Amino acid sequence: AQKVTQAQTEISVVEKEDVTLDCVYETRDTTYYLFWYKQPPSGELVFLIRRNSFDEQNEISGRYSWNFQKSTSSFNFTITASQVVDSAVYFCALRNSGNTPLVFGKGTRLSVIA
Amino acid sequence: DAGVIQSPRHEVTEMGQEVTLRCKPISGHNSLFWYRQTMMRGLELLIYFNNNVPIDDSGMPEDRFSAKMPNASFSTLKIQPSEPRDSAVYFCASSSRPYGGGNTDTQYFGPGTRLTVL
Repeated sequence: AQKVTQAQTEISVVEKEDVTLDCVYETRDTTYYLFWYKQPPSGELVFLIRRNSFDEQNEISGRYSWNFQKSTSSFNFTITASQVVDSAVYFCALRNSGNTPLVFGKGTRLSVIA
Repeated sequence: DAGVIQSPRHEVTEMGQEVTLRCKPISGHNSLFWYRQTMMRGLELLIYFNNNVPIDDSGMPEDRFSAKMPNASFSTLKIQPSEPRDSAVYFCASSSRPYGGGNTDTQYFGPGTRLTVL
């Protein structure tokens, strides 16, 4: 069975601080895909990144970076120099190969205080 | 390009009434997913379709829920009769599968329908 654990329920930081959101996953598949989605207060789910199990290269996109480590089954997300607009719930998700559904973690609510 | 379109955005109804949620996937996408989000259970899959065919409906709570996809550009999720515990945000998502195989499709979500059953 697949499972995604986001142990941090809520995080609060002061603007300009760096923050890391943790994600640990479980799967028996050798081929799988990991995702991060952002859900701002307006409620929509915004796709941020996809990573496949064969690509452990870390990725940076502006102030966002992702650290994928198969050895620890983790796919952590770091926001550098956080801003108030980063305040949202962030979901980590897992999917195996094929056109299959996502398994979501419970989400981490990030509050960035000015 | 238009994203996934859902209607209505908000629905308030009374217990026992029929509710129909609608979804238009991104043009060219051939997989469609219905998810439900609640405080207690988080985001969970209800049903998904590949090429308009239902593949897995094991997440549908009970017989009161039904979903159809009559064509590639439209899907409905119906609840009849509705109950207060059905109150949630219902998301539709779509993804595409590249011709020739490959599994790099990403699911893009609609804005959701917030359902309140009184």
